[in-house]
Formats: sequence, structure tokens, C-alpha cells
Amino acid sequence: KQEVTQIPAALSVPEGENLVLNCSFTDSAIYNLQWFRQDPGKGLTSLLLIQSSQREQTSGRLNASLDKSSGRSTLYIAASQPGDSATYLCAASSQGGSEKLVFGKGTKLTVNP
Amino acid sequence: DGGITQSPKYLFRKEGQNVTLSCEQNLNHDAMYWYRQDPGQGLRLIYYSQIVNDFQKGDIAEGYSVSREKKESFPLTVTSAQKNPTAFYLCASSRSHPPVRNYGYTFGSGTRLTVV
Repeated sequence: KQEVTQIPAALSVPEGENLVLNCSFTDSAIYNLQWFRQDPGKGLTSLLLIQSSQREQTSGRLNASLDKSSGRSTLYIAASQPGDSATYLCAASSQGGSEKLVFGKGTKLTVNP
Repeated sequence: DGGITQSPKYLFRKEGQNVTLSCEQNLNHDAMYWYRQDPGQGLRLIYYSQIVNDFQKGDIAEGYSVSREKKESFPLTVTSAQKNPTAFYLCASSRSHPPVRNYGYTFGSGTRLTVV
């Protein structure tokens, strides 16, 4: 059974800092891994999707990496801004069984001006 | 623009009442999903549908029911059998289920259900 863990649960950084959010998963048999952003009381906005055959994906100041052998993905945010404050969720789309999307509990990021 | 529309944004339910949450997509996606989100927990899958007129139970289907009569629509009914229905409900869609490697999930903006 796939399990996804995100550490830390919360992170507070000063504006301008580069930061890394971590995601680990127990079963490497995945179709892809997706990073989402969730603002308070809102739905999920997709940030990046990494296919199982890829090592990383980039969009603007965001870079996501995937290492299936170690069961890890990281989301790197460069030059953080107060507008980046949100909860970041990673989700692994697992092969086998019911092929469900399994979510971590998220990392709540606060970027202080 | 294509997307997923959930309504209403806020919903209040009295004890013993059934309520229905709406989810509509214009992305031409075959697969649709309902998730429940509670504070401090990850999203949990309630039901999913791979194609019209087909749906499968997720991890926490008890007390919920769904229908998929049209490709665009996947309404969720929270029945009186659901003992703790207060939560944030999210609808999602994907091009197919099982998913394809280069295509992810799209989510709606959610419905917050409160029992009064």
C-alpha cells in the first residue's frame, strides 16, 4: 500500500530565501508524482507533474525532482515571496491495485516579508 | 477556459438530511473523483468513476452515494448514514483511469459542508 509523507508539516522562512519541501513515498511503482498548492479554504492548484521516467520538472521559480530508487521527491522554490505562502501537497499516482492518487498531509509554508 | 466547477461553495446540513454536492467539468475527461479533506489529514478518496455509468468505491465510501449519468457531471450525495459529514469536499478529474504518465489531475475549488 502506497504511503506518502511530507516533512516538515510547517515551515516559516524570510522573504527571498530559497527553500526545499520534501516528499517521500513507499512504493516506487508510480505513474507520476504531482505537486499541488492549496490556499486556505480553496481547491488544489497543480504546480508540477513529474512522470515516472523523468528526473525533474521546472516552472518559473519552481523545480521538482524525482528519485524513484530512494522514494523521494523535492520541490525547490527559489527566491521565495510572501505570495508563496500556502500549503503544498504532493501526491503519487500509484500503479497496481486501484491505481489511486495518494496524498501526503502537506507542508504549510509561510514566507515572512 | 476548461475546468471543474463545484457548487455550492458552502453547504449546511441538518441532522438526518441528505444533501447533494455538484461537480461539473468541461475538460472532456473520462475519469472523475471525490475526495474528502479534514484538518490534519491527507485527502481521502470517497468514490471515483472511470467512465459514464460506472463508479467504484474509494477508501471511505460509507454514507455517500454517487451517479455518473453524463460525462460532464459527477454529483455526490452525503446521506444521513454518514455520521461525521462536516468536511471540505473536493472533486477532481483526469483524462483517464488508470492515469497516463504525462497527464495529472485537475481539482475544483471545493465545497465546505457543515452539519448544524
